[in-house]
Formats: sequence, C-alpha cells, structure tokens
Amino acid sequence: DAKTTQPNSMESNEEEPVHLPCNHSTISGTDYIHWYRQLPSQGPEYVIHGLTSNVNNRMASLAIAEDRKSSTLILHRATLRDAAVYYCILRDSAGTALIFGKGTTLSVSS
Amino acid sequence: GAVVSQHPSWVICKSGTSVKIECRSLDFQATTMFWYRQFPKQSLMLMATSNEGSKATYEQGVEKDKFLINHASLTLSTLTVTSAHPEDSSFYICSASGLAGIPYNEQFFGPGTRLTVL
Repeated sequence: DAKTTQPNSMESNEEEPVHLPCNHSTISGTDYIHWYRQLPSQGPEYVIHGLTSNVNNRMASLAIAEDRKSSTLILHRATLRDAAVYYCILRDSAGTALIFGKGTTLSVSS
Repeated sequence: GAVVSQHPSWVICKSGTSVKIECRSLDFQATTMFWYRQFPKQSLMLMATSNEGSKATYEQGVEKDKFLINHASLTLSTLTVTSAHPEDSSFYICSASGLAGIPYNEQFFGPGTRLTVL
C-alpha cells in the first residue's frame, strides 16, 4: 500500500474550521483516499473517502489536489466531540485491508 | 452505515488461559473480516484477514497457532487468544467488509475488546 504523511498533532478551537492535511505522493491511479477517525477506547469510524473529485458529506469535506498527491480533510465547525485521531489511508479498489499509519491527533478547545 | 459488534467489550484473564472474542456484522453479510490489535498510544496493526469459509491469512509476525481465527458464517468471526500472556494485553478490533462483487467494499469497525492478561 502507498504511504501517507500526516502531522502528528493539530489544535483547533470549537466552532472554527479545521483543515487536516495528508500527503500521498506515491498514490497510484486506483487508490482511493480514505479518512477514518478514532475516539479514545473506540474502534475507528469512517469519515469520508474519494478518488479524484472533492467530496462532501454530513461529517466533513474532502479536498483532493489535482495531481492527487495530497488531500485535505475539512471539518467545517469543530466541536469537542471531534477531538480524535484522524487517519488518512490509501486503499485500492480491490478492497484489501486498511493499513493505518500514525494519524493526526486533533485537540479541540472550548 | 452498517453495524459491527464485538463481545465482550473487555475481559480480564489469568496468564495461560484462552480467551475468545466474537465479532458480528449485525445488518449485512460480511464476506471478509479483519482483525487488528492496538497497543496504548499506538496505531492499529493488522493481524489477519479472513474470508467466510476459508482459512485466515495472517500478517508477518503474527502467530497463527496463538491467535486462532474462525470465520464460519457471513455474520460471525471469532478470535481466540490461546495461552494468553501479559504481553498479549491489548485492544483488539475487528472490521468487516460486505458483499463481493462490489468494486469498492467499505470496512466497518467494531467497538473493540480490551484484553488484560494478569
């Protein structure tokens, strides 16, 4: 699996937007970009995924660079409940297992 | 989204005993299930992949005789930690993927099982 690079940690204030970056310079044409998050002592939770075009859902938006070598997860208004470890993962269309890196620990202050 | 459950949510056992963890897909048929292990302040590490009715495929460094995986039906997979030792204490998480034939199979995760071996 192609690897991703994320900052170890980020901080945000409540109700402000958060932009979580991810670099994946060795991405292949069939790799989907996935974002999961994990709250303390819980299993990972799906956030969003995309291939080439930007994606929006009720949780977040995913902005994908034109060359696909980087992407950004956007939380439009952070809440205290968004404090978690966010993982950016590449996965091919064959549906093999998700391989987790270290992720970004997001802290949200009130 | 689909729901995956795990039982028990936590377990404490004595060294040398075996512990079984169940993973169930509640509202979909899981053709493939994955088992992960997570140590404190570390990321998830894939242990094995199992397909219904087939033997599990273990990742390098994971002892298949110690971590027995059974995927006997499309809704249930079990992980048995045999002769558990304190170093096996960890957070075990399963995930499941749905029906075959779909180009993209999303993985749904269970809530995890905290194992403590005394």
